[in-house]
Amino acid sequence: DQQVKQNSPSLSVQEGRISILNCDYTNSMFDYFLWYKKYPAEGPTFLISISSIKDKNEDGRFTVFLNKSAKHLSLHIVPSQPGDSAVYFCAASETDSNYQLIWGAGTKLIIKP
Amino acid sequence: DAGITQSPRHKVTETGTPVTLRCHQTENHRYMYWYRQDPGHGLRLIHYSYGVKDTDKGEVSDGYSVSRSKTEDFLLTLESATSSQTSVYFCAISQINEQFFGPGTRLTVL
Repeated sequence: DQQVKQNSPSLSVQEGRISILNCDYTNSMFDYFLWYKKYPAEGPTFLISISSIKDKNEDGRFTVFLNKSAKHLSLHIVPSQPGDSAVYFCAASETDSNYQLIWGAGTKLIIKP
Repeated sequence: DAGITQSPRHKVTETGTPVTLRCHQTENHRYMYWYRQDPGHGLRLIHYSYGVKDTDKGEVSDGYSVSRSKTEDFLLTLESATSSQTSVYFCAISQINEQFFGPGTRLTVL
């Protein structure tokens, strides 16, 4: 039973355009959400996060949107750059879980020149 | 750079042999985690630690054990390696809600 789902295994976007990565969750107790980026042969790196008390968080080219009623979050990258080509993971946690993260399966983003 | 190292970075072993992976941190963080990453599954939690000698099971703990005798070191042991444990293993430390990862260990069990 996957509590965090990333339904698109891959996404291809033209350089300079917007990349939108999606994530759905089923557990209504999740109150903190994170996005990680992973290059081959490296560990995941933290990108951006959002608390359930917010619906948007922005950091430079990266914005995360949270729709609690739909149990959906998305990551927007504007403008997309070649270095953004990587696998993106969505993760979620709930309070008092010893900061355990539940992960989606990942979306491979390919930025075309 | 969160100051996390993993050793070895690559290992090939045979079915039935014990294997120990090491995670070392220089950040003095209380929480440490072991994950495995397999295609189509994202990261799955094996075990985690919330302090010296304090550990608990994760989602996929069968066949694995852990130990934490010092704050800086978290060891993952495969008691008798099986081919299904061929995977990439990541260690992470927690800084409040965010986790920071080591470079990973690629383990192949023949």
